[in-house]
Amino acid sequence: DAKTTQPPSMDCAEGRAANLPCNHSTISGNEYVYWYRQIHSQGPQYIIHGLKNNETNEMASLIITEDRKSSTLILPHATLRDTAVYYCIASSSGAGSYQLTFGKGTKLSVIP
Amino acid sequence: NAGVTQTPKFRVLKTGQSMTLLCAQDMNHEYMYWYRQDPGMGLRLIHYSVGEGTTAKGEVPDGYNVSRLKKQNFLLGLESAAPSQTSVYFCASRTAGRSPFFGQGTRLTVV
Repeated sequence: DAKTTQPPSMDCAEGRAANLPCNHSTISGNEYVYWYRQIHSQGPQYIIHGLKNNETNEMASLIITEDRKSSTLILPHATLRDTAVYYCIASSSGAGSYQLTFGKGTKLSVIP
Repeated sequence: NAGVTQTPKFRVLKTGQSMTLLCAQDMNHEYMYWYRQDPGMGLRLIHYSVGEGTTAKGEVPDGYNVSRLKKQNFLLGLESAAPSQTSVYFCASRTAGRSPFFGQGTRLTVV
């Protein structure tokens, strides 16, 4: 898995968009970018993933730069329940790569 | 409900005792994983399995053993527990090309 770098912490005002950056400059062509979050030491929760195109689902949007060396997770209207640690992971989803390597993530605090 | 179930949710062990953590998934997933998470840290991979009867070491395998005798179950064993193994343990499962599902964790304290 490629190494990812995230800021250790971020604040966001409730109702505003939260933009969480991630650098993955050594990502290889077959590695996807995954985002998970962990609330109160519960099991990590899948948010979104993408390869090179931008992706959107009911939880978030994922913007991947054209050179794929970085990405941004966007929570469009952050709520207090979005306070969590967010993990960015680069990993192949194919049969040749089985592991998902977690870093320390970004602790997002949504402030009223 | 479908998902990943970890048993037990909490456990306190004395140094030197042994125990087994059970992870069960009902999604017919091929791959299963055991992670540990220490305070303020991300998840670190202990062992993983790519199919029934197969296991492999992850980043921090020492002091742990695993078995995958049935596809739906992945067992994590501590033969002689040490205080350094106090942690929260997470199990996950996935199928090829899909994101992993995680269990809710087992909080283990070794005194």
